[in-house]
Amino acid sequence: GQSLEQPSEVTAVEGAIVQINCTYQTSGFYGLSWYQQHDGGAPTFLSYNALDGLEETGRFSSFLSRSDSYGYLLLQELQMKDSASYFCAALYNQGGKLIFGQGTELSVKP
Amino acid sequence: DAGVIQSPRHEVTEMGQEVTLRCKPISGHNSLFWYRQTMMRGLELLIYFNNNVPIDDSGMPEDRFSAKMPNASFSTLKIQPSEPRDSAVYFCASTLLGEGNSPLHFGNGTRLTVT
Repeated sequence: GQSLEQPSEVTAVEGAIVQINCTYQTSGFYGLSWYQQHDGGAPTFLSYNALDGLEETGRFSSFLSRSDSYGYLLLQELQMKDSASYFCAALYNQGGKLIFGQGTELSVKP
Repeated sequence: DAGVIQSPRHEVTEMGQEVTLRCKPISGHNSLFWYRQTMMRGLELLIYFNNNVPIDDSGMPEDRFSAKMPNASFSTLKIQPSEPRDSAVYFCASTLLGEGNSPLHFGNGTRLTVT
């Protein structure tokens, strides 16, 4: 099947760094995306990796290792507003089939 | 751009009734997706369309669910008859498929409650 695994919840303090890991099924895999969702609102796109390595966008970075079927989202200089659910999502063909993980709920404490 | 527009925002209905959810994608986008979100099952892909053609409906839970995209600016998801286990938030998303990354733009969702 096409399923993804990520931790259900993570807690960190303001100013810290947190890494959210994601593993995925390799069959038909094309690329890995990350989305953020606040309180059941609309998920919003954060980043995308098609090639191995690190992609950096401000305080957020995303990493992919295709050989390990693994990726992670790195959030630096955590702020209270970063408290949200974070989803990894695997693109399973270039035609657009995007399958989401169960989500990781991040709580940022003062 | 107004973004992806979904209606209604909330729907409460009784078991056995027909429910129709509506979505207007972002103008110029050529792909449209319907997802369902629950605490237990997360964000499930139900169906997606490319250029108004259904590509993959393997996520549609059963024959009670149907989706249409009669033109590039409108799609519906219909549940008939509805059941309490259909209660969820239903999201529509659109994107412009092309080379490389095509991020999904989500609507604000329709919260469906079936009693």
